[in-house]
Amino acid sequence: SQKIEQNSEALNIQEGKTATLTCNYTNYSPAYLQWYRQDPGRGPVFLLLIRENEKEKRKERLKVTFDTTLKQSLFHITASQPADSATYLCALGRATGGGADGLTFGKGTHLIIQP
Amino acid sequence: GAGVSQSPSNKVTEKGKDVELRCDPISGHTALYWYRQSLGQGLEFLIYFQGNSAPDKSGLPSDRFSAERTGGSVSTLTIQRTQQEDSAVYLCASSPGTITGELFFGEGSRLTVL
Repeated sequence: SQKIEQNSEALNIQEGKTATLTCNYTNYSPAYLQWYRQDPGRGPVFLLLIRENEKEKRKERLKVTFDTTLKQSLFHITASQPADSATYLCALGRATGGGADGLTFGKGTHLIIQP
Repeated sequence: GAGVSQSPSNKVTEKGKDVELRCDPISGHTALYWYRQSLGQGLEFLIYFQGNSAPDKSGLPSDRFSAERTGGSVSTLTIQRTQQEDSAVYLCASSPGTITGELFFGEGSRLTVL
């Protein structure tokens, strides 16, 4: 069955350093991948979308890579700040879109930026 | 409204009671999703509405769960005869309906079944 794996343990990073989060998947052929941020007690908020034919996407201090050979996406936050502390979710989507065949979410990685 | 609105934000109920959770999506969004998130778990897909098409109910965990979307807008998720394992945060999301479109989530309804 399809499986999405994100670091299950919290990731502690010192302020100012680059935080790198990993999303690995098996038994899945996604057409695109999205990253969301979720703060405690809040709903997830969309950050970035990357398609299967794209290697890298950037938005301000955020960078996402997508390697369909390795079946992996890396999410980088450069010059990290305590305000970046949150849970980050990756979500994979098929070209069919929508419903159970739409986005499948990982369990998320809890990122803590230490001042 | 500016975003997806869910109510109630918190609901405590007794085992065996029925509950209704409401979602008001962003105006003009044709797609609406319900997800369930248990502590330390990922988002579990429950049901998907797209325009006037028949909903995709394949994620509903049992026949105690049902949902409807009236007039292509507001949606209600109903859980009958609640069980303790139904305790979770129920998240609603809407989307413009494009295949790669981002989901806009509400803040969720936290359900606690005693």
